[in-house]
Amino acid sequence: EAQVTQNPRYLITVTGKKLTVTCSQNMNHEYMSWYRQDPGLGLRQIYYSMNVEVTDKGDVPEGYKVSRKEKRNFPLILESPSPNQTSLYFCASSSPGTSAYNEQFFGPGTRLTVL
Amino acid sequence: DQQVKQNSPSLSVQEGRISILNCDYTNSMFDYFLWYKKYPAEGPTFLISISSIKDKNEDGRFTVFLNKSAKHLSLHIVPSQPGDSAVYFCAADWGNQFYFGTGTSLTVIP
Repeated sequence: EAQVTQNPRYLITVTGKKLTVTCSQNMNHEYMSWYRQDPGLGLRQIYYSMNVEVTDKGDVPEGYKVSRKEKRNFPLILESPSPNQTSLYFCASSSPGTSAYNEQFFGPGTRLTVL
Repeated sequence: DQQVKQNSPSLSVQEGRISILNCDYTNSMFDYFLWYKKYPAEGPTFLISISSIKDKNEDGRFTVFLNKSAKHLSLHIVPSQPGDSAVYFCAADWGNQFYFGTGTSLTVIP
């Protein structure tokens, strides 16, 4: 089954404790991206990657890091989480080489709470 | 500053009638627009898109209209069905960056 998986689905942590949210896709997509969803703000893009070893900042990259060492994986790293990073996070992927490249497939989301 | 805006947080429509969801944007450089649907506890799913060089795209019950001079797009759902009840996000693409609106929660009343 074609899908984007995220782990963990729920996470409660404390300020300053480094964490990683994993994202993996099995569709051989080149493009991957991270978003956060907050009430009244919609989805905002954090980082995106056009391919392996190519990453770029989105609209709200501060406080986040990403890496793209393999095509299928795109982990989101919070080196020192703060309460304002409490949010619902989505990973997405798509294939720029096709006519449907804008049509991103989204993972189920990760609910992060930073205390 | 929000570059893509959905000014109606919610909309209720009777089953069988038309649902019209609206979206405004500020950046004339956007080259692709998309609509996504989101159910609770799930990720958004792609619904329909339109290139900036077109003014209409239709897919079954869903039609998206683009008015570039007004920087406005709308999603029409005809006829509306109870299963269409969800949050709808419009999004715009510019140079591989995506900008989403705040969403409109649609309720279709049986």
